[in-house]
Amino acid sequence: GQQVMQIPQYQHVQEGEDFTTYCNSSTTLSNIQWYKQRPGGHPVFLIQLVKSGEVKKQKRLTFQFGEAKKNSSLHITATQTTDVGTYFCAANYGGSQGNLIFGKGTKLSVKP
Amino acid sequence: DGGITQSPKYLFRKEGQNVTLSCEQNLNHDAMYWYRQDPGQGLRLIYYSQIVNDFQKGDIAEGYSVSREKKESFPLTVTSAQKNPTAFYLCASSMRSTGELFFGEGSRLTVL
Repeated sequence: GQQVMQIPQYQHVQEGEDFTTYCNSSTTLSNIQWYKQRPGGHPVFLIQLVKSGEVKKQKRLTFQFGEAKKNSSLHITATQTTDVGTYFCAANYGGSQGNLIFGKGTKLSVKP
Repeated sequence: DGGITQSPKYLFRKEGQNVTLSCEQNLNHDAMYWYRQDPGQGLRLIYYSQIVNDFQKGDIAEGYSVSREKKESFPLTVTSAQKNPTAFYLCASSMRSTGELFFGEGSRLTVL
């Protein structure tokens, strides 16, 4: 079946440093979504990217969708302790939401 | 408040027993989903339903069953046929026309 690779699996940063997680697919995506899961919590939707080359910003978070619609990234500028959690990409290969494939996530820890 | 309610939050069962996890939403969403999350893994789709009285198997449906008799409710039964049922189970819903998934707080099942 379809797979989406997400790297790195873990990232430890000092507060104030930047952080980036990447998702890659071998085939073209219809769209890609990003979710954040705090420790002990449930995933919360962050954003959906649909267009080739799309870039969206939410405060310190920047989301990009590749030109070929096969990869995406989430970049956090100047991390804060509130950014701690696991960030998941979810790739949609078309059709219904039943075709959403989640990456394994990147667990971010931030040292104050 | 609108949202998704899962119960119970924690559940302990003996091997060989069937267990039913409840999921109720008052968001008026057509689609509902059940995901399984294991440590260090992404979310894997068990079952989903796009409309009342209809549901489809996801990637890991073996050993699970669902029903969708009402729009608001999508219970999941973990049967004795599921070989490794200990996991964190997440229910989600979405409007048919949009991509965003809304998750419940999850049910953590431990089989002793």
